[in-house]
Amino acid sequence: EVQLVESGGGLVQPGGSLRLSCAASGFTFSSYWMHWVRQAPGKGLVWVSRINSDVSSTSYADSVKGRFTISRDNAKNTLHLQMNSLRAEDTAVYYCARGVTVGSHFFDYWGQGTLVTVSS
Amino acid sequence: DIQMTQSPSSVSASVGDRVTIICRASQGISSWLAWYQQKPGKAPKFLIYAASSLQSGVPSRFSGSGSGTDFTLTISSLQPEDFATYYCQQANSFPLTFGGGTKVEIK
Repeated sequence: EVQLVESGGGLVQPGGSLRLSCAASGFTFSSYWMHWVRQAPGKGLVWVSRINSDVSSTSYADSVKGRFTISRDNAKNTLHLQMNSLRAEDTAVYYCARGVTVGSHFFDYWGQGTLVTVSS
Repeated sequence: DIQMTQSPSSVSASVGDRVTIICRASQGISSWLAWYQQKPGKAPKFLIYAASSLQSGVPSRFSGSGSGTDFTLTISSLQPEDFATYYCQQANSFPLTFGGGTKVEIK
C-alpha cells in the first residue's frame, strides 16, 4: 500500500525557517517525481514545488522561489521541503504528492498533510 | 502561467442528480487535465487524469471530457459520499495550477 506521511509542521515566527519531511513507503520511491502542494485555510490547492526522480531537476512556484528548497533522499525514501524566510501568507497545510509516472504531472497519491502556521 | 477557472463555485444537488462541473484553461492544454475530490480535513483524492481516464477504483458514475481549453466533470447519479469539493488541475506546463474548486452541497 502506498503511504506518504508528512511531518515537521508547526508554529513559526515570520522570517523563521522550517523543514518538512515526507516519508514514503509501499512503492519504489526512487522511480517517481515528487511534489509539494499547499492549501491555505479555507482556500484552494496551490502547487509549490517538484523534484524529479534522480534529483537532477527541480521547479518552484514564483511565490516560494529563492526561499524554499525541495530535496529528496532516495536511500531513505524521504522527501523534504526546506522553508526559509517564512511569511504569513505561507500559512497552509502542506501535502506531499506522488507524480503519476515519470514526467507526468498528475498526483495519484497524497499524504495527510502537515500544518504550517506563520505568526508572531 | 495557465489560469484554470471552474464553474460553478458551488452547486446544491440531491442524491440521484446529475452534476456537471466546468473547467476552462486560459490557453490550450491538450488533454493534460486531472480532477480531484476533497472532503473537509482530508487530502485530495485522484479521480480522473488525461481529461477522461478514470483512476483505478473510482466509481464509473464519474466521467470527464474535453480537450484544449474546455473540460467537464460529470457525476451521473450523485451519491451521499460524493458531497465534497472538486478541483481541476492542468499538467501541461509549470507552474502546475488548479481551479478554484467547486463545492457540491446537499440540497
